[in-house]
Parts: sequence; C-alpha cells; structure tokens
Amino acid sequence: KQEVTQIPAALSVPEGENLVLNCSFTDSAIYNLQWFRQDPGKGLTSLLLIQSSQREQTSGRLNASLDKSSGRSTLYIAASQPGDSATYLCAVGGNNRLAFGKGNQVVVIP
Amino acid sequence: DAGVTQSPTHLIKTRGQQVTLRCSPKSGHDTVSWYQQALGQGPQFIFQYYEEEERQRGNFPDRFSGHQFPNYSSELNVNALLLGDSALYLCASSWGTGAGAFFGQGTRLTVV
Repeated sequence: KQEVTQIPAALSVPEGENLVLNCSFTDSAIYNLQWFRQDPGKGLTSLLLIQSSQREQTSGRLNASLDKSSGRSTLYIAASQPGDSATYLCAVGGNNRLAFGKGNQVVVIP
Repeated sequence: DAGVTQSPTHLIKTRGQQVTLRCSPKSGHDTVSWYQQALGQGPQFIFQYYEEEERQRGNFPDRFSGHQFPNYSSELNVNALLLGDSALYLCASSWGTGAGAFFGQGTRLTVV
C-alpha cells in the first residue's frame, strides 16, 4: 500500500520568502506525481504534474522535482505572496488511483 | 470548458438515510474517480469508473456504490449513512493512465 507523507504539516513564512514543501512516498512504482492546492472547504486545483520519467516541472513561480528512487518530491514556491496561503497536497498516481498525503498548510504573512 | 462539476455543493442528511452525489467530468475525459476527505486529512480513494464499470475500489464498505453513465457522468451512492460519513466528497476525472486528474469543487455531506 502506498504511503505518502508531507512535512512540515504546517508552516508560516513572511511574504517574499521562498517556500519548500516536502513529500515522500514508500512505493517507487508510480505513474506520476501531482501537486494540488486546496483552499478551505474547496476542491483541489492542480498545480503541477510530473510523469514518472521526468525529474521536474515548472510553472511560473512553482517548481516541483521528483526523485523516484528515493521516493521524494519537493515543491518550491518562489517569492511567496499572501495569496499563496492554502493547503498543498501531494498525490502519487499508480494502479488507477491517487494516494494523498495529509497536506502542508501554508500561511504567508504580509 | 466547465471543468469537473459536482452537485449538490452541500447536503445534510440524517443517520440511516441514503444519499446520491453527482459528477460531470471535464470534456474529453472518460474516467471518473471518487474520493472522501475528512476534516484535516488527505483525500481517500473510494473507487474509479471507466467504460461504465468499476475498475478499482479502495477500502470502503459496500454501502458505498457508484455508477457511470454512457456520457461518462457518474453518481456516488451511500446507503445507511453513519455520522462518520460526514466529509467532503471529491470527484476527479482523467483520460488514460498516467494523465493528470482534475477535481471538482466537492460536495460537503453532513450526517446528523
């Protein structure tokens, strides 16, 4: 069974700092890895999708890396803004399902 | 493109009742998955439908059942509701294996 862990569970940073969110998973036989953003009480917004053959993906201020052999992914958010405050979820895709971590709850302080 | 749409957005039911949640996938997507997200937790996989058949199932009791229609839309049914079924129910659609999943806004179910 795939187990996904996200550390830290919660963090607060001042505006302008770079954010580093970590995700680890136990089974390296994955199809892909996705990072999502979730605002309170809302659905999930896909941020980045990394295929198992890729090492990283970038979109604007966001960059995600994938190291399948060590079972790790990192999401970097450059120059954080108050609008980046949300919960970020890592999801590992395999065997026709996604396995999620519990999320990193981020607060960016103006 | 309307994306993934779910209805209703909120629902309050009494313990023991039955509920049906609905999902329309993103245009061009043929696969629908359902997830349950309890407060403060990550989403948990319930099941996935493809070609109107249940393709995969997570660790949920038979009280949870579903259906996929020829137009790829889907329903999630929960019978004999328990207080512990209170959660945000998320629908995700995708196309093919390895493609990214797109999620709807969810249905907040409260069982009293």
